[in-house]
Parts: sequence; structure tokens; C-alpha cells
Amino acid sequence: GQNIDQPTEMTATEGAIVQINCTYQTSGFNGLFWYQQHAGEAPTFLSYNVLDGLEEKGRFSSFLSRSKGYSYLLLKELQMKDSASYLCAVGWGSTLGRLYFGRGTQLTVWP
Amino acid sequence: ETGVTQTPRHLVMGMTNKKSLKCEQHLGHNAMYWYKQSAKKPLELMFVYSLEERVENNSVPSRFSPECPNSSHLFLHLHTLQPEDSALYLCASSQDLIIGTSGEETQYFGPGTRLLVL
Repeated sequence: GQNIDQPTEMTATEGAIVQINCTYQTSGFNGLFWYQQHAGEAPTFLSYNVLDGLEEKGRFSSFLSRSKGYSYLLLKELQMKDSASYLCAVGWGSTLGRLYFGRGTQLTVWP
Repeated sequence: ETGVTQTPRHLVMGMTNKKSLKCEQHLGHNAMYWYKQSAKKPLELMFVYSLEERVENNSVPSRFSPECPNSSHLFLHLHTLQPEDSALYLCASSQDLIIGTSGEETQYFGPGTRLLVL
């Protein structure tokens, strides 16, 4: 829903940097979340962006451009445990509590 | 541990059975959610409750019936399900409902119930 688009799969090696992009329909946008989901487990919250710019949290950073309908999640110093699906989720103002999720980007980190 | 628990973690049921999924949040949040996650599909919102009142029902078939007896507990009652209902059912909670304010609307997920309908 709401034209949320992110790549299906990405691969990278340990120690590298990877950027996962997410684009979305801009009309009515109210906030964007990134979640990490390991196979068979629940999504866990990584970051929240509502204003333009970069939010940094340790090895993970998330960027938002509201005018372009674009966000990315940047993962630095990749570790094997970072292999997971990364979900982009967007909230729109007219729908209380509703998050629209992308299909997720499956990241595989190789040694 | 996110502070949201779900039971059972796995459930196998026949199409004529009735079962219930339980979710409990220990975070003092005001809003609770049920999501369905099927293979290769985005997470789909099913129901939203705020302060025990249902605020959204996303065109979910009536064979799924939610119940929110208090702000800490949420149930999903299942009856006469179909094989295509097999999926991971996730519960989530958040402090607030309105997205775009303070970040208090961040949703925290439970571990999910893996449901198989035969």
C-alpha cells in the first residue's frame, strides 16, 4: 500500500557499509520507521524519522527527505548478525495508528 | 524482549476448530494492534485498538474476531479458518496512536504466533 518501494535483496561482506533505500508516496506523510526482522522473529524497532535529515544510532543511521519521498537506512561495520530483513514503514496522517509496510529488504552478510 | 508477549507461539488447527491468540503488553501503552505476515507479502494491519476501543478494522473477514478487555490485553479469536489464513500473526503496542508527533507512536512487536491451518 501507498507505493512503498524497497529492494528485495542485498548482499554485503563483513565490515562493509550498506545502504538500503525506501521510496514512498509523499502525500499526507507523517513519519517513517525502520524495523529489523530476523527469520522467524518479530520486527524490532531501529529508527524513526519525521523531519528531514540524518538520525544516527551507533552503527545504524537513517535519512529522510520528505520532499523526495525518500529514506535510506545505512548500516556500517557490518556483522554477520546483521543478516535480516529490513522493513520500511510509513505513517499517513489521515489514518490513525496505521503503518504501511514495504515488503522488506533481505540483507545477507557474508564473511 | 520488547515487553510484548504472545501465546501460543505455534498453533496448528483444522478448518472447523475455534482457537484464540493472546497478546499482553507490559509497557503501559494505550494502543494495541494485530498484524498478519504472510510469506513474501508486506505486513498487513488487521485491527487497531486505542484505550480498549476498536479504531480500525481493515476489512478483515469475520472469521477473525478481536477482543480487547483492557489496555494490556488483546485477543484474536479464530473460527472456521481457511488454509490461506496460515501466517505469522503479530501483536504490537504503542504509547500513542497518532503518527507524526513525538515518536511515542513507535510500535513494539511481540514474537508472533505461527499459525498453520490444515
